[in-house]
Amino acid sequence: EAQVTQNPRYLITVTGKKLTVTCSQNMNHEYMSWYRQDPGLGLRQIYYSMNVEVTDKGDVPEGYKVSRKEKRNFPLILESPSPNQTSLYFCASSSGQGLYGDRGYTFGSGTRLTVV
Amino acid sequence: RKEVEQDPGPFNVPEGATVAFNCTYSNSASQSFFWYRQDCRKEPKLLMSVYSSGNEDGRFTAQLNRASQYISLLIRDSKLSDSATYLCVVKSLGGYQKVTFGTGTKLQVIP
Repeated sequence: EAQVTQNPRYLITVTGKKLTVTCSQNMNHEYMSWYRQDPGLGLRQIYYSMNVEVTDKGDVPEGYKVSRKEKRNFPLILESPSPNQTSLYFCASSSGQGLYGDRGYTFGSGTRLTVV
Repeated sequence: RKEVEQDPGPFNVPEGATVAFNCTYSNSASQSFFWYRQDCRKEPKLLMSVYSSGNEDGRFTAQLNRASQYISLLIRDSKLSDSATYLCVVKSLGGYQKVTFGTGTKLQVIP
């Protein structure tokens, strides 16, 4: 089954404790992206990657890091989480650059992160 | 002004009703347009693309008005299962293909 797998689904952590949210897709998609979703603000892009070893900042990259060492994986790293990073996070992938034709993005199931 | 704006709703409509949502965008260079559906606390899923000529998929019709810079989604014969938040998505050409999501319009179909 074609899918984007995110882990963990839920995470509660303390301020300053490094964490990684994993994202893996099995569709051989070139493009992957991380979003955070907050009430009233919608989905905002954190980082994106157009292919292996090619990453760039989105609209809200501060406090986050990413890497793309393999095509299928695109982990999101919070080196020193803070309470303002409490949010719902989505990983997404698509073929080509960004939305492509009718296929659009395939999203992971989301990671609800709480930083206390 | 937000790049993509939607009325947050909620729109409360009875089963069988027809409901329409609009979404306005500010970047006249926007190239592609989509409607996504998001159920509570779940991931967004592509509902349909929006073409210049308009397109229809069953009970759903999407329209694009480039002159006025808005897209619309029409749902006919609403079902309880249509209750969700509908996200407008706009893609613009830039250094990369920038994708902007609206904050969504909530629809509640009531029996």
